[in-house]
Amino acid sequence: DAKTTQPPSMDCAEGRAANLPCNHSTISGNEYVYWYRQIHSQGPQYIIHGLKNNETNEMASLIITEDRKSSTLILPHATLRDTAVYYCIVRVGNTNAGKSTFGDGTTLTVKP
Amino acid sequence: GAVVSQHPSWVICKSGTSVKIECRSLDFQATTMFWYRQFPKQSLMLMATSNEGSKATYEQGVEKDKFLINHASLTLSTLTVTSAHPEDSSFYICSASGGIGDTQYFGPGTRLTVL
Repeated sequence: DAKTTQPPSMDCAEGRAANLPCNHSTISGNEYVYWYRQIHSQGPQYIIHGLKNNETNEMASLIITEDRKSSTLILPHATLRDTAVYYCIVRVGNTNAGKSTFGDGTTLTVKP
Repeated sequence: GAVVSQHPSWVICKSGTSVKIECRSLDFQATTMFWYRQFPKQSLMLMATSNEGSKATYEQGVEKDKFLINHASLTLSTLTVTSAHPEDSSFYICSASGGIGDTQYFGPGTRLTVL
């Protein structure tokens, strides 16, 4: 699985958009970009994933650059409950090869 | 999204005893389940991958005789920590996938404390 690089920490004001970057310059053509988050002492929660097109769901938007070497997770209106560690993972979409290798992630702190 | 449960949510045991942790997919059939371990202030570390009806594949450095994994059905996988020692104290998390391209869904985790 490709290695990802994320900033260790970020702050965001409540109600503002949180933009979390991720670099994955060695991503392969068949690898998807996945985002998870982990609130303290809980299991990771799936947020969104994509291959090459931008994606949006009820939680967030995922912007993938045209060369696919980086992506940004956008939380449009951050709340205090969005404080968590956010993990960007790239992996092959096929289940049998779909193990997720977690890096250190970004600790997002949403402040009032 | 899909629901994955773990039982127990926390356990305290004496050194030398064995502890079994269950991981269940509640509303889908999980062909593949993954077991992770997370030490305080660290990221998740993949321990093993299990496919229903076959032997688990362990990551390098993980002792298969110490961490026994059974994936006997499409909704249940178990991790048994045998002869647990204080250094095995950790947060154990499972995840499950239901098919090609399916997203992994994670359980809430089990906190193991070995005295």
